[in-house]
Amino acid sequence: EIVLTQSPGTLSLSPGERATLSCRASQSVSSSYLTWYQQKPGQAPRLLMYGASNRATGIPDRFSGTGSGTDFTLTISRLDPEDIAVYYCQQYGSSRYTFGQGTKLEIK
Amino acid sequence: QVQLVQSGAEVKEPGASVRVSCKASGYTFTSSYMHWVRQAPGQGLEWMGIINLSAAGTSYAQKFRGRVTMTRDTSTSTVYMELNSLRSEDTAVYYCARGFGGSGWGTCFDPWGQGTLVTVSS
Repeated sequence: EIVLTQSPGTLSLSPGERATLSCRASQSVSSSYLTWYQQKPGQAPRLLMYGASNRATGIPDRFSGTGSGTDFTLTISRLDPEDIAVYYCQQYGSSRYTFGQGTKLEIK
Repeated sequence: QVQLVQSGAEVKEPGASVRVSCKASGYTFTSSYMHWVRQAPGQGLEWMGIINLSAAGTSYAQKFRGRVTMTRDTSTSTVYMELNSLRSEDTAVYYCARGFGGSGWGTCFDPWGQGTLVTVSS
């Protein structure tokens, strides 16, 4: 099973700053199969980025995704207070799906 | 728009079973796959399994095999997830989510239901 490790565990930044979230896989993942979700407090997760770099419908262009192989990154270019959430990466492979443990984004 | 609406919260005793429903609307029900994902309180996300809404075939994560059953009713566009032999560790929010991206099962999940809290306690 592919293990996804996200870092940092918690990120505290000010509005307008740039956030960089990392997702590292225990073995190579096709970029087509790497996804990011946003989960706001008390809500279900929401699809953010799929195929590593494709924004889901309605996601602002402040959000971008990059990476390949075992290292993937979600970047939020200019933080907005509404971005407070936990962000999860997820991979699909060998007919199984696994998630990272999440990065909690706090706004100062 | 595609919408998934789940049944309400449940409280069960250890050893009991629970069935959670997920009613889909806004698209052709049998054209997709539905997944179930759970989240224990304060914890991360865990994939449980998938059902083909057309052929009703299923595939379950190894951890849940023998305890989980996923079914669907095409007449009401509703998917069900039943978990048996409940224990305290099964206390979690259970989500249904449609397979999205790629072909077949989908590479990810979109949209998600609102979640159903299942509490296992004596």
